[in-house]
Amino acid sequence: DVKVTQSSRYLVKRTGEKVFLECVQDMDHENMFWYRQDPGLGLRLIYFSYDVKMKEKGDIPEGYSVSREKKERFSLILESASTNQTSMYLCASSEQGLIGYNEQFFGPGTRLTVL
Amino acid sequence: KNQVEQSPQSLIILEGKNCTLQCNYTVSPFSNLRWYKQDTGRGPVSLTIMTFSENTKSNGRYTATLDADTKQSSLHITASQLSDSASYICVVIPFPYGNNRLAFGKGNQVVVIP
Repeated sequence: DVKVTQSSRYLVKRTGEKVFLECVQDMDHENMFWYRQDPGLGLRLIYFSYDVKMKEKGDIPEGYSVSREKKERFSLILESASTNQTSMYLCASSEQGLIGYNEQFFGPGTRLTVL
Repeated sequence: KNQVEQSPQSLIILEGKNCTLQCNYTVSPFSNLRWYKQDTGRGPVSLTIMTFSENTKSNGRYTATLDADTKQSSLHITASQLSDSASYICVVIPFPYGNNRLAFGKGNQVVVIP
């Protein structure tokens, strides 16, 4: 079974702090994704990566950056956390191929609260 | 305007009863359509995947249908169980993918009561 793990289930940070969310997958997938999920808005793509050190902006990249130094690990960075970044963050991975065609496997999510 | 609309937004059903969730989309053309189940506080898990040429796909008590002409999909849950309480998300993948992202619905929230 594909396993996607995220470093924290719950996280509480203060406004202005730098926040790191870590995601690790164990299926040697080339593609990895970061989404945020908010009530009434559904899932929105923040960034994705199709290879080590490669990244592409999603629909809402403002205020976020990512890092992919190893194939299995994809990090989401909030440079200066703000209250409007309070959300559920979901990481996903999929096999090599055209982005979107292969099934994405999701991690359990990190619920981030910024005070 | 959201390209994927799901209805009803939420519903409550009695254990053992059937229910049907609707997904209407405007994404065209598309390569495949997926239904995910998301338990509260967890990540989504895939239930069914249908290509544009398929019109039905089953996974246990879950059956998804697709009408590409009317751009509608439905997810039917048979003999519901308490564990079916979850949000069900419809996702449409455009063709070609290009700059078009996966189109996510906002989900159908299902609560099964004993």
